[in-house]
Amino acid sequence: AQTVTQSQPEMSVQEAETVTLSCTYDTSESDYYLFWYKQPPSRQMILVIRQEAYKQQNATENRFSVNFQKAAKSFSLKISDSQLGDAAMYFCAYHQQTSGSRLTFGEGTQLTVNP
Amino acid sequence: DAGVTQSPTHLIKTRGQQVTLRCSPKSGHDTVSWYQQALGQGPQFIFQYYEEEERQRGNFPDRFSGHQFPNYSSELNVNALLLGDSALYLCASSWGDYTEAFFGQGTRLTVV
Repeated sequence: AQTVTQSQPEMSVQEAETVTLSCTYDTSESDYYLFWYKQPPSRQMILVIRQEAYKQQNATENRFSVNFQKAAKSFSLKISDSQLGDAAMYFCAYHQQTSGSRLTFGEGTQLTVNP
Repeated sequence: DAGVTQSPTHLIKTRGQQVTLRCSPKSGHDTVSWYQQALGQGPQFIFQYYEEEERQRGNFPDRFSGHQFPNYSSELNVNALLLGDSALYLCASSWGDYTEAFFGQGTRLTVV
C-alpha cells in the first residue's frame, strides 16, 4: 500500500520569506500524481499544486513550486514571499493513476506565518 | 458554479444512533469520494462512488455505507455510531478515472 509521510508537524516563517515543506512517499508504481493541498481554518481542502510523475520538470504555480525527486520518492513544497494568508495546514497527497481519484494523504504540516 | 456542497455543516449525535451526510458534486463531475478526517490528522479514504456503484473502499467497517443517485449526488450513512466516529467528513468530486478532486467544506460530526 502507498504511504505518504510528512515529517514536520509544524513550521513557521516570517512574512515575505521562503519556506519549504517536506514530503516523502512510498510506492511501487511508476504512474502516479502528487499533490499539495491547503486546509485553512474554514476546513475546505484547496489544491495548491500538482505534479505528474512522468514529468521531469518541477511544477510551479505563482509563489508555489515543488522539488520532485522521483528516485528518492521526495516531493517538497516551496512557498516564496510568504503571505499571512498562506497560514494553514498543508497536506501532501498521492494519487495512483489506475485507482480512480482515490487520494492517500500525509499527516499534514501546520504552517504559521509571522508578521 | 456552486462547487462541491455538503450538508449539514455540523451535527451532534448520540452513541448508537445513525447518521446520514449528503454531498452534491461540482457540476459536470460524476465521481464522489468520501474521507474521514480525525482531529489533527490527514483525511482517510472511506469509499468512492461512480455510476451509482461503490467502486473502491478503504479500511472502514460495514457500519459505513453509501449511495450515489442518478444526479451524481451522494450520501454517507454511518450506523451504530461510536465516539471514535467523531470527525470531519469530507466529500470530493471528480470526473472520469482521473481529474483533479474538488472538496466540499466538510461536515463536522460529534458523537457524544
